[in-house]
Amino acid sequence: QKEVEQNSGPLSVPEGAIASLNCTYSDRGSQSFFWYRQYSGKSPELIMSIYSNGDKEDGRFTAQLNKASQYVSLLIRDSQPSDSATYLCASMNYGGSQGNLIFGKGTKLSVKP
Amino acid sequence: NAGVTQTPKFQVLKTGQSMTLQCAQDMNHNSMYWYRQDPGMGLRLIYYSASEGTTDKGEVPNGYNVSRLNKREFSLRLESAAPSQTSVYFCASSEVDSTLGYTFGSGTRLTVV
Repeated sequence: QKEVEQNSGPLSVPEGAIASLNCTYSDRGSQSFFWYRQYSGKSPELIMSIYSNGDKEDGRFTAQLNKASQYVSLLIRDSQPSDSATYLCASMNYGGSQGNLIFGKGTKLSVKP
Repeated sequence: NAGVTQTPKFQVLKTGQSMTLQCAQDMNHNSMYWYRQDPGMGLRLIYYSASEGTTDKGEVPNGYNVSRLNKREFSLRLESAAPSQTSVYFCASSEVDSTLGYTFGSGTRLTVV
């Protein structure tokens, strides 16, 4: 069973702090990894994708990938109350008969003013 | 540019009733997906269509049928609704072997009583 695991939280950080969200995956064939943000009652929206080992930065967001450890993380710098949401980690294996995203259950982040 | 459009947004069914959830995308994507999201369970794939004319089962297909009507439209049908199908349903689309992840519709909140 291919799985993506995340700590469900809630993760609470003060405004302006760094929020660190973590994810592990079981499928060693996974090639791409995605972070989605989902506000309560809304649909998931893509915020970051990463394919290579190392860091990828986009504004206040940094995704980190370590394929040897099967570990993906998302750092949010200068956290804002508007970042309060559930963050979904997902992996994709393009091989085989399907290239479907496997989602974790999400980590709920709360940024306190 | 509407992206992925789902209808209806809300629906209440009685046990045993049938209904079809509609999904249409205007991004010329080849692949389309139906997920359900339940508290504590994350996003689970029901059915997907890698391209026009093909459909395949996902993780939780029982009780559902799908139709890929054309490249734009992918519908999900509940033939005899059960309370266990109370959930939020999301349609998504992507390019085949997408490195850009999926684009989600706004969701359908279905309650079966």
